[in-house]
Amino acid sequence: DAKTTQPPSMDCAEGRAANLPCNHSTISGNEYVYWYRQIHSQGPQYIIHGLKNNETNEMASLIITEDRKSSTLILPHATLRDTAVYYCIVRVNTDKLIFGTGTRLQVFP
Amino acid sequence: GAVVSQHPSWVICKSGTSVKIECRSLDFQATTMFWYRQFPKQSLMLMATSNEGSKATYEQGVEKDKFLINHASLTLSTLTVTSAHPEDSSFYICSASGELGTNVLTFGAGSRLTVL
Repeated sequence: DAKTTQPPSMDCAEGRAANLPCNHSTISGNEYVYWYRQIHSQGPQYIIHGLKNNETNEMASLIITEDRKSSTLILPHATLRDTAVYYCIVRVNTDKLIFGTGTRLQVFP
Repeated sequence: GAVVSQHPSWVICKSGTSVKIECRSLDFQATTMFWYRQFPKQSLMLMATSNEGSKATYEQGVEKDKFLINHASLTLSTLTVTSAHPEDSSFYICSASGELGTNVLTFGAGSRLTVL
């Protein structure tokens, strides 16, 4: 079973930051937090992952709370092409990915 | 970056026939591949894990004789849906890991199966 809880849907205005929350209160010490997104009828796309430090790459930033029980994915300047379902997944490296229901992000003009 | 290719991207077949879907890692050797399926408006459901040179491990409720998985090489895994029925119509997606220096799973673009 998925170990994360995400809001089912969110809206964001184009050009604004999209902040997607994720709760993972039962996360283990060796589990990473991964974020993927799925644009309609495509395979999931990797966004970012982290263990306990905040991470940033060209796509997004990942903020993990100090107790690691929750995290936030930040898309700094959302565009219409960021409309997708975003999945937050906790996983021990090399293990399988178990998807939850994700957050459907709708970016509007 | 790592690329995973799936073929075919879509297929239509008659009920009772078998369909094979290929998953290839194009620029890295994938020691492990995962197969998922996704019904409309639902999340991805893991079907099985395949390791090169050994038998696949199926998730609970997935029939191994129905969904045959072969991981014959470090760059190719195949999923065969045997005796397909309309309820097998779904979006099948594979992912692969094994690229040196990363544990990130890379996903294929998916294969949409429609059984008439």
